[in-house]
Amino acid sequence: GQNIDQPTEMTATEGAIVQINCTYQTSGFNGLFWYQQHAGEAPTFLSYNVLDGLEEKGRFSSFLSRSKGYSYLLLKELQMKDSASYLCAVRDQHTDKLIFGTGTRLQVFP
Amino acid sequence: GEEVAQTPKHLVRGEGQKAKLYCAPIKGHSYVFWYQQVLKNEFKFLISFQNENVFDETGMPKERFSAKCLPNSPCSLEIQATKLEDSAVYFCASKQTSNSNQPQHFGDGTRLSIL
Repeated sequence: GQNIDQPTEMTATEGAIVQINCTYQTSGFNGLFWYQQHAGEAPTFLSYNVLDGLEEKGRFSSFLSRSKGYSYLLLKELQMKDSASYLCAVRDQHTDKLIFGTGTRLQVFP
Repeated sequence: GEEVAQTPKHLVRGEGQKAKLYCAPIKGHSYVFWYQQVLKNEFKFLISFQNENVFDETGMPKERFSAKCLPNSPCSLEIQATKLEDSAVYFCASKQTSNSNQPQHFGDGTRLSIL
């Protein structure tokens, strides 16, 4: 079966660091994506991991451990505009479709 | 275009009516995906296309739902005899090639409300 778990909600303070975890159990794996989605808007691509390790992109970093079925998204120097839902999605090995978790709604407070 | 364009933004239908949603992928993108998001829950994959050919339809409900991607036309997702449970936001995404490291680019979605 396919199962992707993320915390439903998180809160953090402006300027802080937050880590959003994602665990997955899927029948196949060919990469993991993180997307950001503001309310009423399209999801926008943040990062992609297919090999173990850390990928850094400015304030955002993403980590993957395939043996543990685990990824996290790290957001540094939080800004108010980072308040959004963060979606973890696993790429299906054979068909390219994305299998999504429920998303983590992050609220950043001043 | 530079963005995935979905129309309409909102669509309201009475139960039992037909609903048709449209998606213009980014120019040059060969792959189109449709997802359904019910009540802000996780995205559910419906169907994908490689150009005008169905690539994967394992997520499509067997009845009432159909989709097409014809040359020189927006792709479409059609729901016949809509039910209350079809109320959701329908997202379309496109991708340039089958390369695994390329992300899918999403449109803003069409919010379908069945009354």
